[in-house]
Amino acid sequence: NAGVTQTPKFQVLKTGQSMTLQCAQDMNHEYMSWYRQDPGMGLRLIHYSVGAGITDQGEVPNGYNVSRSTTEDFPLRLLSAAPSQTSVYFCASSPKQGIYNSPLHFGNGTRLTVT
Amino acid sequence: AQTVTQSQPEMSVQEAETVTLSCTYDTSESDYYLFWYKQPPSRQMILVIRQEAYKQQNATENRFSVNFQKAAKSFSLKISDSQLGDAAMYFCAYRRSNQGGKLIFGQGTELSVKP
Repeated sequence: NAGVTQTPKFQVLKTGQSMTLQCAQDMNHEYMSWYRQDPGMGLRLIHYSVGAGITDQGEVPNGYNVSRSTTEDFPLRLLSAAPSQTSVYFCASSPKQGIYNSPLHFGNGTRLTVT
Repeated sequence: AQTVTQSQPEMSVQEAETVTLSCTYDTSESDYYLFWYKQPPSRQMILVIRQEAYKQQNATENRFSVNFQKAAKSFSLKISDSQLGDAAMYFCAYRRSNQGGKLIFGQGTELSVKP
């Protein structure tokens, strides 16, 4: 009963480095999304996907890339890390059927620090 | 664009008492969904309660209830008989009916519970 699994839990990067945050779900959910959480700003949508092969930008997409080659996986790539990307990142999924009131299922988050 | 506002960055309540967390939102849509999420120190995002905009009846889940005022675009959360385990960050969130996976979050309210 894994749900949404995010790895790693913690990561420290130097400015300019690249990395991929992994997200996998085993609930066969069509919808997946990435949020970042910053103090005083709540959670903001970075990118989302409505199914394999389909992605779109959210509110704060700059500096991030995503792809959705399978239903299960939705990795988030930081191309060239900047201190402004220091944040807690959440991956979430939800089913398409009954989407109207389906809540998001969240992973446990990744705390990223960019120095 | 839709926005969600939580005007109380911090709230405090005595154990066993009742507290109300405020949330207002701005939208021109008539069909949407509203949620309250709880985030304890573990960072996990936990769904507390949800409300469909087309339903006039306020949602309740055990000690948690909402006061949904559609005309005023207000969606407050009432916690009755507060418990120490209720201490957490609480987020109000909005979603359009046809945008599964895309939530707009408020800034959050940090709730502390005094024994």
